[in-house]
Amino acid sequence: GENVEQHPSTLSVQEGDSAVIKCTYSDSASNYFPWYKQELGKGPQLIIDIRSNVGEKKDQRIAVTLNKTAKHFSLHITETQPEDSAVYFCAASMEDDYKLSFGAGTTVTVRA
Amino acid sequence: DTGVSQNPRHKITKRGQNVTFRCDPISEHNRLYWYRQTLGQGPEFLTYFQNEAQLEKSRLLSDRFSAERPKGSFSTLEIQRTEQGDSAMYLCASPTESSTDTQYFGPGTRLTVL
Repeated sequence: GENVEQHPSTLSVQEGDSAVIKCTYSDSASNYFPWYKQELGKGPQLIIDIRSNVGEKKDQRIAVTLNKTAKHFSLHITETQPEDSAVYFCAASMEDDYKLSFGAGTTVTVRA
Repeated sequence: DTGVSQNPRHKITKRGQNVTFRCDPISEHNRLYWYRQTLGQGPEFLTYFQNEAQLEKSRLLSDRFSAERPKGSFSTLEIQRTEQGDSAMYLCASPTESSTDTQYFGPGTRLTVL
């Protein structure tokens, strides 16, 4: 099955700085890569996603890049704010069943 | 609010008891997924339905677990003879009509087995 690895496991940034989280996947058949934000006691919230026919996608302060050859994708958050503090998960899925394989998560802390 | 609801939000039970959780997905979509999340880990796939048919079960889903989706609407996940290792957050996810690969999660049911 698909194996998704995520780094770093924790990330502390100063408010206003950028945060970058990186993930790798094992199965070249994966073609959909979402990112979720999870706050304490809540379900994961989709923040951005990218499909394999696109190399980069941006939504305001959040961007995701995908390198299919290297099988890795990254989340970039610019101008971080305290409300960006949360656990972020990357995931991957394939077109046959769309079940998600998740990374282990990155705890992001934005220092005021 | 994603439109996916789960009940109960929290469940505390004693080891050996049976528990049942319910998920009401975003309406009119034929796929529904269950995941389990333990503390400090990402969600792990358990099972999924297309309409009322259960199409795949993870090996994480022991014989004590059963899931149903009668009439292809809401779904239930039952755990029989609970064990302390079943303590986790159980998450339900549903795509939308406009995007089959995008999954929206409910708030989860936090299970604690004493």
